[in-house]
Amino acid sequence: DIVMTQFPDSLAVSLGERATINCKSSQSVFYNSNNKNFLAWFQQKPGQPPKLLIYWASTRESGVPDRFSGSGSGTDFTLSISSLQAEDVAVYYCQQYRSVPLTFGGGTKVEIK
Amino acid sequence: QVTLKESGPALVKPTQTLTLTCTVSGFSLTTIAMRVSWIRQPPGRALEWLARIDWNGQEFYNPSLKSRLTISRDTSTNQVVLTMTNMDPVDTATYYCARAPDPYGDFCDYWGQGMLVTVSS
Repeated sequence: DIVMTQFPDSLAVSLGERATINCKSSQSVFYNSNNKNFLAWFQQKPGQPPKLLIYWASTRESGVPDRFSGSGSGTDFTLSISSLQAEDVAVYYCQQYRSVPLTFGGGTKVEIK
Repeated sequence: QVTLKESGPALVKPTQTLTLTCTVSGFSLTTIAMRVSWIRQPPGRALEWLARIDWNGQEFYNPSLKSRLTISRDTSTNQVVLTMTNMDPVDTATYYCARAPDPYGDFCDYWGQGMLVTVSS
């Protein structure tokens, strides 16, 4: 199984400041044949299902604000929120879909400082 | 409008078999590349992928739970069913179904609201 490790476990950021979440996979999730990283990011608010934010490591899902961006390749990835808004308070998960079983990181809780 | 909705018992006893149904609308289970997964989340914990069924009926399981899981579908009723045998209190979780429509990647764009299943005697 590919193990996904997120850090930090939690972070507190002031409104309008940048939040950065890291995700590391135990094996590369890059696939040579299509030159893509099989990595997604989800946002989960209390009592709600996860919401897809980013796929292919850096492609924003339709309707997701452009303050959310994903970067990285191979085994190291980052989700950035450029200017934190109150509605961004949530737990964020990375997930690899390079191989079965699909696996998720442990989550990063983002709060307002 | 794409929707997925989980249904099943909210409470099961240890050793019992859990049967959950995911009823989908707004898309077809047989559309090429369509995949439907079951994912669970114990209270306050991270997400765990359980199983998937593809547009062609092919099934995939998490090896850690494979012996206990069966995923199936009924295309006439637009339902995907997950059975999990020998339930234990550690299986207490919210169970989600979700779809992945991209032909090249299994990322889930629509999720059900989830069904909390408690395992207790």
